[in-house]
Order: sequence, then structure tokens, then C-alpha cells
Amino acid sequence: DVQLTQSPSFLSASVGDRVTITCRASQAIDNFLAWFQQKPGEPPKLLIYAASTLQSGVPSRFSGSGSGTDFSLTISSLQPEDFATYSCQQDHVYPWTFGPGTKVEIK
Amino acid sequence: EEYLVESGGGLVQPGGSLRLSCAASGFSFNNFWMGWVRQAPGKGLEWVANINQDENEKHYVDSVRGRFTISRDNTRNSVLLQMNSLRAEDTAVYFCVRRNRVVLWSRLDVWGQGTTVTVSS
Repeated sequence: DVQLTQSPSFLSASVGDRVTITCRASQAIDNFLAWFQQKPGEPPKLLIYAASTLQSGVPSRFSGSGSGTDFSLTISSLQPEDFATYSCQQDHVYPWTFGPGTKVEIK
Repeated sequence: EEYLVESGGGLVQPGGSLRLSCAASGFSFNNFWMGWVRQAPGKGLEWVANINQDENEKHYVDSVRGRFTISRDNTRNSVLLQMNSLRAEDTAVYFCVRRNRVVLWSRLDVWGQGTTVTVSS
């Protein structure tokens, strides 16, 4: 199975900060990687797919990059509604797997 | 607007069975793969199963293969998850998801609110 690791696991930041979360795959997955945002009590929301393609309706302050084994999600200017948990997910091979999540909290 | 609404969760004893349902609306259901993703309390997301439009391709995570069965009814715009031989580690919120294929890539772009399954004696 493809293992996904994320760093950091926890991040404390302020409104307006630039934030980057990384996701590393245990084997090459080309660019078959998505990013999700989840708030407590809510289902995940798709932000990015194919590593760098912004899902319709997602603000442009979110961006993704990477290919192979190393990926990143960047929020260019953190907004109050962005405090949440972010998870990566690969769909290159079955079983599809998710990263453990990165919790972004208010400093 | 596109919706997925899950039902069927509840409390079940270890070794028992439960059948989850997901009703879809607002899109052409029979054009999409569907699936289930779960989240144990305080834990991360875990993909569980996928099914294609014609039910001739199904995939499962190893931990549920042989115990869970995914199916769909295109006449009722619904996807089902039959869960047998349930274990404590199956306790989770189960989300129904739509898989939207874009050329080679997939995106889980529509999610239900989830239904809670608790396996405990």
C-alpha cells in the first residue's frame, strides 16, 4: 500500500500568514494526489486534485504542487475560515490512501 | 445542487451486520463511480470501497474485503454498503462519496454528511 505522511501534523498560524503543508508518498504516484479540508462535524471538502488543479469554487489562495513522491499545499494568506484539518489522498493505486492530516490552528 | 444522504448507521454488536444506504440527487447518478470513506473517532480518513457505473468493477480496502459488499441501484439512485462480521475497529463515521473522473484523474468531489456506525457489546 502507498503510505502518505504529512508534515507538520500540527501548525499554529495567524490570519494573513502563508502556510505550506507537505505530503510525502512511500512510492511514486505521478500526480494522482488530492487535498481535502475538514472542519469538526463536517465532511471533507475537496480543494485540489491532480496535485495542482483547483476544484471549482475553491478560493485561489489555495494552491498545490508536486509530482512523484513529494507534494505540497500552500495557503497564500490564511483566512479565519481556513482553520481546519487538511489531508492528502492518493488515487494512483488501490487501495486509495489518505494522509494522517495536518491541523491548522489559530496562533 | 448535488446531494448524497446516508442512512442505516447505528449500534451493533461485534459479529453483527449493518446495511448502509446512500441516496443521491441533483446529478446523473448512473454516470459516476461511487464509494465509501470512513473516519474512526478522532482519526484520519480511510477509503473503504468503490463501485463503477455498471457494478462490474469493485474495489475494497483489505481490512473489509470479504466482510463488506458495495452495490448500487441505478433505478433508485442509491449506493449500498452491506457490512457483515463487524468488529470494534469498524466503528466510524461512514461517508458516501462521488468519484468524478477527469481524463485520467479522479476526484472525490461530492460527500454526504456521514452516518455513524458503532460496534460494541
